[in-house]
Amino acid sequence: NAGVTQTPKFRVLKTGQSMTLLCAQDMNHEYMYWYRQDPGMGLRLIHYSVGEGTTAKGEVPDGYNVSRLKKQNFLLGLESAAPSQTSVYFCASSPGTRNTIYFGEGSWLTVV
Amino acid sequence: AQSVTQPDIHITVSEGASLELRCNYSYGATPYLFWYVQSPGQGLQLLLKYFSGDTLVQGIKGFEAEFKRSQSSFNLRKPSVHWSDAAEYFCAVGGYTGGFKTIFGAGTRLFVKA
Repeated sequence: NAGVTQTPKFRVLKTGQSMTLLCAQDMNHEYMYWYRQDPGMGLRLIHYSVGEGTTAKGEVPDGYNVSRLKKQNFLLGLESAAPSQTSVYFCASSPGTRNTIYFGEGSWLTVV
Repeated sequence: AQSVTQPDIHITVSEGASLELRCNYSYGATPYLFWYVQSPGQGLQLLLKYFSGDTLVQGIKGFEAEFKRSQSSFNLRKPSVHWSDAAEYFCAVGGYTGGFKTIFGAGTRLFVKA
């Protein structure tokens, strides 16, 4: 049971570098999400998607871009990484709005 | 916009004692409410959820929560805590605010002492 898979699990970036976090789900879910988790701030929604080809901004979208070209994949991009983007990133998916959200195991990103 | 407040950053309870974790939300309509648990280094797992109907909902691992509309609260309870319950707990509210979003609280870390 793969569920929601995120890659990479750990990454260290230099300020100004770019990278893409990959998320894949095998549950045929319509909704996908990217959250970041920081101490004392819980999970904050970065971007989300309500279906293939759609994306929408969450609470903290600045500095990130996303794409949902295929239903099963949701990519999070950092065009020019900043130390403030050091965080744990969680991808998640759900069948619809009233359903349980299923989370990946997280990606630890450090920007130096 | 919806929001969630978990007033307690951390709570310590003795094993076998009862537990109540507080959650207050802000949303203009009837919200979808959730409690998730996160063990160290892991993703989040759903404990229980409320959409409508009976305001007392039962979840996994012996947890329950009660929706109180008049208090805008959705507190999580467990009658007898086990050491394995030590984790971080997140309350979340889902609703339509320019698109459906699920917003999480800052979390409450539970410590269990022997």
